Amino acid sequence: KAGVTQTPRYLIKTRGQQVTLSCSPISGHRSVSWYQQTPGQGLQFLFEYFSETQRNKGNFPGRFSGRQFSNSRSEMNVSTLELGDSALYLCASSLGATAGGTDTQYFGPGTRLTVL
Amino acid sequence: KQEVTQIPAALSVPEGENLVLNCSFTDSAIYNLQWFRQDPGKGLTSLLLIQSSQREQTSGRLNASLDKSSGRSTLYIAASQPGDSATYLCALMDSSYKLIFGSGTRLLVRP
Repeated sequence: KAGVTQTPRYLIKTRGQQVTLSCSPISGHRSVSWYQQTPGQGLQFLFEYFSETQRNKGNFPGRFSGRQFSNSRSEMNVSTLELGDSALYLCASSLGATAGGTDTQYFGPGTRLTVL
Repeated sequence: KQEVTQIPAALSVPEGENLVLNCSFTDSAIYNLQWFRQDPGKGLTSLLLIQSSQREQTSGRLNASLDKSSGRSTLYIAASQPGDSATYLCALMDSSYKLIFGSGTRLLVRP
């Protein structure tokens, strides 16, 4: 069974540009979450999608947005890039169980974004 | 607001030693707790998941415990090996389906 895949793996952009990152979840998983990892702030939650609906959003500015398609693949977009957006962006997929706490999160390898 | 703390921040042990990593949290209203491993520049690998109603989970040389009343979880690694060297992260899932992470413990197992 293939794991979570993220593309591209590395990106270099300049300030002011926008970027789109892609995440393909494990087959059968309906929930996709996005996290930002930086040395200073650690891992921070961006948003979570389940069946094409955003269920939750973290404390990030509106420049960060996302969407999920009918096949559960997800994209996140960052507009008007700032130097501080340089980070490892990780996505995680899960079944998205709404009852109980059995839902293991499986992470992809991440996209390393560098903003110059 | 849920806060997750991991102590120690870094740990260096000789090969073969048994070790314990600690995770504490401030709000016991959690769905589950997961321990992850992260190798440098890589994604996260799930090691163990403990449901809110459970006390512990075991997988091979790993054992994780959960005590909600005291706001603590431990990850026990038996007979450590150099291949165990990595950063270990604990994360709580809250009622809004997001994981709240600790800052991690960086483990080095010396041959």
